[in-house]
Amino acid sequence: AQSVTQLDSHVSVSEGTPVLLRCNYSSSYSPSLFWYVQHPNKGLQLLLKYTSAATLVKGINGFEAEFKKSETSFHLTKPSAHMSDAAEYFCVVRAVSAGRRALTFGSGTRLQVQP
Amino acid sequence: DADVTQTPRNRITKTGKRIMLECSQTKGHDRMYWYRQDPGLGLRLIYYSFDVKDINKGEISDGYSVSRQAQAKFSLSLESAIPNQTALYFCATSDPRSLAGEVGEQFFGPGTRLTVL
Repeated sequence: AQSVTQLDSHVSVSEGTPVLLRCNYSSSYSPSLFWYVQHPNKGLQLLLKYTSAATLVKGINGFEAEFKKSETSFHLTKPSAHMSDAAEYFCVVRAVSAGRRALTFGSGTRLQVQP
Repeated sequence: DADVTQTPRNRITKTGKRIMLECSQTKGHDRMYWYRQDPGLGLRLIYYSFDVKDINKGEISDGYSVSRQAQAKFSLSLESAIPNQTALYFCATSDPRSLAGEVGEQFFGPGTRLTVL
């Protein structure tokens, strides 16, 4: 079975300070991992994805994530937060079940950015 | 994403009513999905379809049904709505023939906010 745990339901940072959103996963197979972002009243947008190539993955808007197999983690980081980063972020693992593939979502982390 | 559209965007209904949510896509993708989002629970898969003749239950299909009318259209129905089906519903698509789809990337519609009173 596959699962993903987002360790913080809410994170608050000041504009210009670093962002760290934590994600741990479990997977019986080599996983594909994603971070999606959801801005208020919007659909989900892909930020970045890990697919067994480079372990440090760069995404849009200055975000990046590092796949650490030994720690089963895929934390999302950004060096300097911007007000427009305020949104909900989902860590997602690609699950394999009964020969089918589906996405398993974490419960989400709401990022607040204070001026 | 404008390539995946959902109608209606908002709906308020009463317990016991039949409701249909519609999803259309112009991406030419074979695979389509319906999810519901509840606060603190992330997105959970309701149904998915890998082509017009293929319909599969997700983890929370009870109380829902779907219809894949064409490659581009995938509808979700609540035969008799109940209050705990109040949620934000998302449609998504993927293309397994693409590099992105091969690794599981999905493209999401803007969502439908459903309230059952």
